[in-house]
Amino acid sequence: AQSVTQPDIHITVSEGASLELRCNYSYGATPYLFWYVQSPGQGLQLLLKYFSGDTLVQGIKGFEAEFKRSQSSFNLRKPSVHWSDAAEYFCAVGVFGNEKLTFGTGTRLTIIP
Amino acid sequence: GAGVSQTPSNKVTEKGKYVELRCDPISGHTALYWYRQSLGQGPEFLIYFQGTGAADDSGLPNDRFFAVRPEGSVSTLKIQRTERGDSAVYLCASTAGGSTDTQYFGPGTRLTVL
Repeated sequence: AQSVTQPDIHITVSEGASLELRCNYSYGATPYLFWYVQSPGQGLQLLLKYFSGDTLVQGIKGFEAEFKRSQSSFNLRKPSVHWSDAAEYFCAVGVFGNEKLTFGTGTRLTIIP
Repeated sequence: GAGVSQTPSNKVTEKGKYVELRCDPISGHTALYWYRQSLGQGPEFLIYFQGTGAADDSGLPNDRFFAVRPEGSVSTLKIQRTERGDSAVYLCASTAGGSTDTQYFGPGTRLTVL
């Protein structure tokens, strides 16, 4: 069965600084990978997804992620964070032919002035 | 509709009671999912519907949990004899169909069992 690890429970970043959130997955074949963001009282919103092809994926709100098969990673990056990026971020993995997503435990992002 | 909606947004019940949680998917979406998110955790899969039928219910924790989607649109998650451990946010998602489609999530129902 597939699994996802987000090693960082909580990250604090200064506004305007760069950001990288880590995600490692475990699955024997090539998975489908997703990053979702969850703000308080809001539903999960998809930032970006990877199915195949170019390993660098661009998403909404200036986010990008890179699939690295050799490291079983799909880290999320943003060159310059804004105060509105403060939220909980979830990495998820899907498998072809299996409809459910398996989520990591999330990383809470705090932005300081 | 504009997005996935869930009602109620909050539900407080007493241990042993029966609850129903409702999900209205995006209009035209054939696939519907239920997830449960406990405090400090990521969402965990419960059940997936394709049309009216439950295609995968492997995530339902026990037989107190049941879900239906009789007309292939609205779905209801039913929990019998609630326990304090059932307290969580219950999330619903829908897609147009297919495992590569984006799952669009609703805001969730926060269930508290006293």
